[in-house]
Amino acid sequence: NAGVTQTPKFQVLKTGQSMTLQCAQDMNHNSMYWYRQDPGMGLRLIYYSASEGTTDKGEVPNGYNVSRLNKREFSLRLESAAPSQTSVYFCASAREARETQYFGPGTRLLVL
Amino acid sequence: KQEVTQIPAALSVPEGENLVLNCSFTDSAIYNLQWFRQDPGKGLTSLLLIQSSQREQTSGRLNASLDKSSGRSTLYIAASQPGDSATYLCAVNPLNAGNMLTFGGGTRLMVKP
Repeated sequence: NAGVTQTPKFQVLKTGQSMTLQCAQDMNHNSMYWYRQDPGMGLRLIYYSASEGTTDKGEVPNGYNVSRLNKREFSLRLESAAPSQTSVYFCASAREARETQYFGPGTRLLVL
Repeated sequence: KQEVTQIPAALSVPEGENLVLNCSFTDSAIYNLQWFRQDPGKGLTSLLLIQSSQREQTSGRLNASLDKSSGRSTLYIAASQPGDSATYLCAVNPLNAGNMLTFGGGTRLMVKP
């Protein structure tokens, strides 16, 4: 089992460009999450999907959109990247909401 | 709003020492608390999850306790090894926050051979 995989591992964008971060899990989990990690701010939830077909905002959703493509895949889209979105982005999944979360290796994003 | 604090921010100990990492939270209305480990440049690895009704959980050399009424959790690591060097994060799931975890800032642990 690969667990939670994320692509790309690293990306550089210019201000205003768009991109989609991909996440997939092979554990048949119902819940999936997107976090960002910033120095001094810790990990903060951007969006989550409690089950296939549902998505909800987390603590810092502005500037992002998500799609729960199917049970395995949960993507995060930046429509018009800003330097404030420079961060490390983590995807996570859990069998059910409020259970142990399993994290991917992260995507390091630099917005110039 | 729930706030989670971890003190100290960094800790350096010699190999073999038993050590305690602290986590405090401001609102005792939690569903559960999780401890994670993060190695440099990597994702988080779940270590232990304690439900609000539990007092402690154990996994190998790790023991996590929870005192919900006082807003505190500790992670005890027995006989520390250099391979334990990492950042340890605690996260609480507030009762009224559904899926949202609130993370502490972490304790960066260095175990010296």
